[in-house]
Amino acid sequence: AQSVAQPEDQVNVAEGNPLTVKCTYSVSGNPYLFWYVQYPNRGLQFLLKYITGDNLVKGSYGFEAEFNKSQTSFHLKKPSALVSDSALYFCAVRDRIAGGTYKYIFGTGTRLKVLA
Amino acid sequence: NAGVTQTPKFRILKIGQSMTLQCTQDMNHNYMYWYRQDPGMGLKLIYYSVGAGITDKGEVPNGYNVSRSTTEDFPLRLELAAPSQTSVYFCASSFGQGNQPQHFGDGTRLSIL
Repeated sequence: AQSVAQPEDQVNVAEGNPLTVKCTYSVSGNPYLFWYVQYPNRGLQFLLKYITGDNLVKGSYGFEAEFNKSQTSFHLKKPSALVSDSALYFCAVRDRIAGGTYKYIFGTGTRLKVLA
Repeated sequence: NAGVTQTPKFRILKIGQSMTLQCTQDMNHNYMYWYRQDPGMGLKLIYYSVGAGITDKGEVPNGYNVSRSTTEDFPLRLELAAPSQTSVYFCASSFGQGNQPQHFGDGTRLSIL
């Protein structure tokens, strides 16, 4: 079965420093990977996805993610963190189920705190 | 665009009561999903639908029911509320064969007392 793991419950980073939020995956076949962000009392918002192609994917709000097939990782990065980036981040992988339909499997989330 | 709209935003139920969580989307998405979010547990899929008239169970369907009579609407029904169903419920929709992102509503915060 497909799965994703977010090994860190919380990441703290100083404003202006680079940030990394980690995600590893386990899939059969080619992975379809996604990152979402959740602000307090809001639903998840899509940041970026990897389907195929360039291993460095650029997304919303200056975020990017690096797909590494040999390490089965899809880490989220940003060169310079902002206090407003403080939120809960989820990695997700597409899972094919019976009948050719799809669902998504989410990691447990990583809380990012950017300190002023 | 309104996107995905969920109502109500908050609700407190007594044990044994029933209620329906409403979800509607205006993006003509064929796929719709219901998740519950518990602290530290990520999102668990309750039910999903691939189109009007077609629904199927996710990981945690017990205690819930759904219907999908139109493309736009995907209500979630709790028949006999239990404390274990205290959670935040999210509805989401997407288009296509799994390479498109999901769009989420802002959730319904449900407490069962």
